[in-house]
Amino acid sequence: DAGVTQSPTHLIKTRGQQVTLRCSPKSGHDTVSWYQQALGQGPQFIFQYYEEEERQRGNFPDRFSGHQFPNYSSELNVNALLLGDSALYLCASSLFDNAVTEAFFGQGTRLTVV
Amino acid sequence: GIQVEQSPPDLILQEGANSTLRCNFSDSVNNLQWFHQNPWGQLINLFYIPSGTKQNGRLSATTVATERYSLLYISSSQTTDSGVYFCAACRGGADGLTFGKGTHLIIQP
Repeated sequence: DAGVTQSPTHLIKTRGQQVTLRCSPKSGHDTVSWYQQALGQGPQFIFQYYEEEERQRGNFPDRFSGHQFPNYSSELNVNALLLGDSALYLCASSLFDNAVTEAFFGQGTRLTVV
Repeated sequence: GIQVEQSPPDLILQEGANSTLRCNFSDSVNNLQWFHQNPWGQLINLFYIPSGTKQNGRLSATTVATERYSLLYISSSQTTDSGVYFCAACRGGADGLTFGKGTHLIIQP
């Protein structure tokens, strides 16, 4: 049973560029959430996708956008990259079952903006 | 939103010692999870424990929902237990998890 998989594992981008990160959820899960983890901090919630719609959003600007596909996989897009966007980006999947269920995380994508 | 506080921020122990990590949260929650983050950044699930007590080998956890805290116990620590331990909680629905700042645990041989 494949867990949550993310790609790429590492990425270097130049300030002002755009980036797309990808996530495939754990088998049987239908909900994907994205988190940003700055060095030395806990992960911070960016947004959650269920049924191909953004259901909830954390305190992140519109430069951060996402998409969920019919197969439940998801993309995180960040436009106009800033140096401060350098972080570990984590994807989590869960099952939306009218109750809260356990979230499982991928290995993350480490983004460096230069 | 929910506030999550973890203590202590840092903990240095000798191999074989026992440890207790604490997580306080500011509101009632429907999800509370403990994670161990490995050196490569992956969050490893330890416990899904919105209430009650669970045990898994040398690790156990207790959440007292009415008093809004959770404890993670590590017995007979090993050097491989080193790393950062996170507590995360949410109220439910589409809420994302709110993480604490973590406890950085170092187990010395």
